[in-house]
Amino acid sequence: QSALTQPASVSGSPGQSVTISCTGTSTDIGSYNLVSWYQQHPGKAPKLMIYEGSKRPSGVSNRFSGSKSGNTASLTISGLQAEDEADYYCCSYAGPSTFVVFGGGTKLTVL
Amino acid sequence: QVQLQESGPGLVKPSETLSLTCTVSGGSVSSDGYYWSWIRQPPGKGLEWIGYIYYSGSTNYNPSLESRVTISVDTSKNQFSLKLSSVTAADTAVYYCARVEVTLFDYWGQGILVTVSS
Repeated sequence: QSALTQPASVSGSPGQSVTISCTGTSTDIGSYNLVSWYQQHPGKAPKLMIYEGSKRPSGVSNRFSGSKSGNTASLTISGLQAEDEADYYCCSYAGPSTFVVFGGGTKLTVL
Repeated sequence: QVQLQESGPGLVKPSETLSLTCTVSGGSVSSDGYYWSWIRQPPGKGLEWIGYIYYSGSTNYNPSLESRVTISVDTSKNQFSLKLSSVTAADTAVYYCARVEVTLFDYWGQGILVTVSS
């Protein structure tokens, strides 16, 4: 069982927007603004898409955005494209000993 | 562009020690401010952080694996390594090495599948 809770799957049609939630606790997401999101295509390594809750690394489309409220972080993908179909993982800092915890992952299907 | 490449045996027997090496190119494991980490992903499952090391040798391990994990660094070869002892079938996974900046993993290796089986 993963430390952070994500929906197993979400779906949307091309051009639509989808939001993936990531629920933690007051010891991880609720205490730090250090949530990151990773995209993983089948057979590939994860790719950093969002860090520090809402910042995008260079080269990541502005269709990807992140936010946080309380113990829950969210990733929103707007203007869905076929290439967005992948697994998405959230990750939060959880203190100096635990370091980070991951969510169980969400499979995004573009219909 | 920093690149990481995992190497090591793809098959390990139960109760033995899993050993993997990550070779870094396009950057230095001795760079200030960056940690070097191992993460694993069992087939069809999510990601699990294993631990990280700084070039000074300072380490931090996942408490759930700490008793079995050792991560070391060889700055002369620009490599860092993972040893996981007393493996069982539950340790079968794709193992990734990655660079850590603060709390995010910005560069990843391609991953290596390690199967624990007799």
